Amino acid sequence: DGGITQSPKYLFRKEGQNVTLSCEQNLNHDAMYWYRQDPGQGLRLIYYSQIVNDFQKGDIAEGYSVSREKKESFPLTVTSAQKNPTAFYLCASRGRKDTQYFGPGTRLTVL
Amino acid sequence: KQEVTQIPAALSVPEGENLVLNCSFTDSAIYNLQWFRQDPGKGLTSLLLIQSSQREQTSGRLNASLDKSSGRSTLYIAASQPGDSATYLCAGATDSWGKLQFGAGTQVVVTP
Repeated sequence: DGGITQSPKYLFRKEGQNVTLSCEQNLNHDAMYWYRQDPGQGLRLIYYSQIVNDFQKGDIAEGYSVSREKKESFPLTVTSAQKNPTAFYLCASRGRKDTQYFGPGTRLTVL
Repeated sequence: KQEVTQIPAALSVPEGENLVLNCSFTDSAIYNLQWFRQDPGKGLTSLLLIQSSQREQTSGRLNASLDKSSGRSTLYIAASQPGDSATYLCAGATDSWGKLQFGAGTQVVVTP
């Protein structure tokens, strides 16, 4: 089955620690995205990538970093510089007709 | 920057009633508008996408319209069912890069 997988489902971070969220897709899509969702709010764009080895900052990139070494993978690192990282993180890819397909999400909590 | 608003934040309807969900956006130069469904603690499921050149899209019991001049989109769900209970989000893109601006969503409860 084609789709997007995210791991882990739940992640706990200690103060000052970097953590990496995984996103993998087997849909053969070029474009991939990371969004953050806070309670009662819509999603906000963190980073996006249109092609391998290229990525751009979204609206709230501060304290986050990404890489795109493979078409299938777009990992997100939440660094210690992100002051309020507790949120639900969603990865997406975009198909030919512009529809975005989302993964199941990773819930990150700061201890 | 595109701003997207969804009102109301929540609504409850009895089973069988038609649902009307509203979405407004500030930039009429919208590239496309998408409607998504989100179940609690889950990712988003795409429902309908309307390109800027289109006025509406239909899929089964769902119909979405787009009026760029008034900055509005409406999602209609006919003959609602308890399984339609979820949060519905709309999102607009203003270019071909796919950068979506989301509304905060409307939480829908369909009571049996």
